[in-house]
Amino acid sequence: DGGITQSPKYLFRKEGQNVTLSCEQNLNHDAMYWYRQDPGQGLRLIYYSQIVNDFQKGDIAEGYSVSREKKESFPLTVTSAQKNPTAFYLCASSLGTDSFYGYTFGSGTRLTVV
Amino acid sequence: DQQVKQNSPSLSVQEGRISILNCDYTNSMFDYFLWYKKYPAEGPTFLISISSIKDKNEDGRFTVFLNKSAKHLSLHIVPSQPGDSAVYFCAANGGNTPLVFGKGTRLSVIA
Repeated sequence: DGGITQSPKYLFRKEGQNVTLSCEQNLNHDAMYWYRQDPGQGLRLIYYSQIVNDFQKGDIAEGYSVSREKKESFPLTVTSAQKNPTAFYLCASSLGTDSFYGYTFGSGTRLTVV
Repeated sequence: DQQVKQNSPSLSVQEGRISILNCDYTNSMFDYFLWYKKYPAEGPTFLISISSIKDKNEDGRFTVFLNKSAKHLSLHIVPSQPGDSAVYFCAANGGNTPLVFGKGTRLSVIA
C-alpha cells in the first residue's frame, strides 16, 4: 500500500539538542511539506519542496532545516535555535503543487522538550 | 495575518441533525478549497473539496458550499453521526502555492 510514513511517533529532546524527524513516502509524489500543529493554532507551514534538491521556507521556518536529496524523503531538523519546539509535526505530500492536488498526510510526530 | 479563518473553535450537534461548519478567506487568489478531518494524534484526512468555478459539491452526507462574492465556504454534514466527532480544518490555495489552513473547528456529535 502506498503511503507516507513519519517516525518516530513520539520524540523527546533536551534543551540545546538538534533532532531530526523522518518523513518517507512511496506515492511517487513530487511535492512534500512540513506543518506544525499547536493547540488552537491550526496547521502552520514550516518548509516545502516541489522537486528534489529544492525547497522553500514557509511561514515559520526559523529554527528548522530540511533537505530533499531523494524524491521519497524529506527529513526535518529541529535545531536548538527553535525557541518553542514542543508541538505535533505533520509531513504531507502531493502529486504537484497546482491547486487541485490534494495532500496526503502522515500520522505525525509529537516532539516534547524535556 | 490569517488568510483562512474558522471563527468557531467548537460546535456541538445532536446525532441525526445537521452540522454546519463555516470558513472565511481573505485571499482573492485562492481558487481551490478543501476540508480535512482530524482525530487526535493522527494526520488529517481529506474529506471534500471544491474549485472556484463551482458553488456546491456533494459527496454522500457531506456538502460544501462556496460563496465567492462573500469569500465564504461552509461544510454541511447531514445526518450527523457520533463518528463525525473530530476537528475539521478548512484549507485553501491558489496557483502554485501550498495549502493554507484555518485553525480548525472541533465538532462533537452527541448521541
